[in-house]
Amino acid sequence: QQQVKQSPQSLIVQKGGISIINCAYENTAFDYFPWYQQFPGKGPALLIAIRPDVSEKKEGRFTISFNKSAKQFSLHIMDSQPGDSATYFCAALPPFNAGGTSYGKLTFGQGTILTVHP
Amino acid sequence: DAGITQSPRHKVTETGTPVTLRCHQTENHRYMYWYRQDPGHGLRLIHYSYGVKDTDKGEVSDGYSVSRSKTEDFLLTLESATSSQTSVYFCAISESSGSYEQYFGPGTRLTVT
Repeated sequence: QQQVKQSPQSLIVQKGGISIINCAYENTAFDYFPWYQQFPGKGPALLIAIRPDVSEKKEGRFTISFNKSAKQFSLHIMDSQPGDSATYFCAALPPFNAGGTSYGKLTFGQGTILTVHP
Repeated sequence: DAGITQSPRHKVTETGTPVTLRCHQTENHRYMYWYRQDPGHGLRLIHYSYGVKDTDKGEVSDGYSVSRSKTEDFLLTLESATSSQTSVYFCAISESSGSYEQYFGPGTRLTVT
């Protein structure tokens, strides 16, 4: 069962353009939504993350938009650069509850390969 | 890579042989995770550990076992490797419940022939 669905699978954008990647989730217990960036031959690295109590979070050229009622969130990369070319993963995490039973078990989307042409 | 090393980085093995992958951290983080990455599936959790000798199954645990005898080491064992276990394996670590960020190692590319 795929609890986090990510689209598109691949995306090609011209330098200076806007890249948009979308994710939808099913489990309403999720309360932390990170985006990871992965370059070839490397492990994923946290890019930006959001909690469901806010609708938007911006860090430099990267923005997460969150729609709790629709159970969707998206990553926007403004002024996309060739150096942004990478694979992007959305993910979702239930809370570290008092019993500690979730233990930080991330559920990832399928990934989006972003290519930014110069 | 946040003080995380994985060994080996590349391995080719034959079907039916046992394989052990090692994750070593120098951050003294409590939580450790093993994921596998396959095209079209993103990363999927295999097993995780919430302390020394405390481990549990993830989403795709069949055919895998783990052990954690020290805070810094988390071992993933394929008891009898199959071709379906050809994948890239990532270890990740996380602090206690105050921080949700997971830090990933560089990965191990395993090919089962």
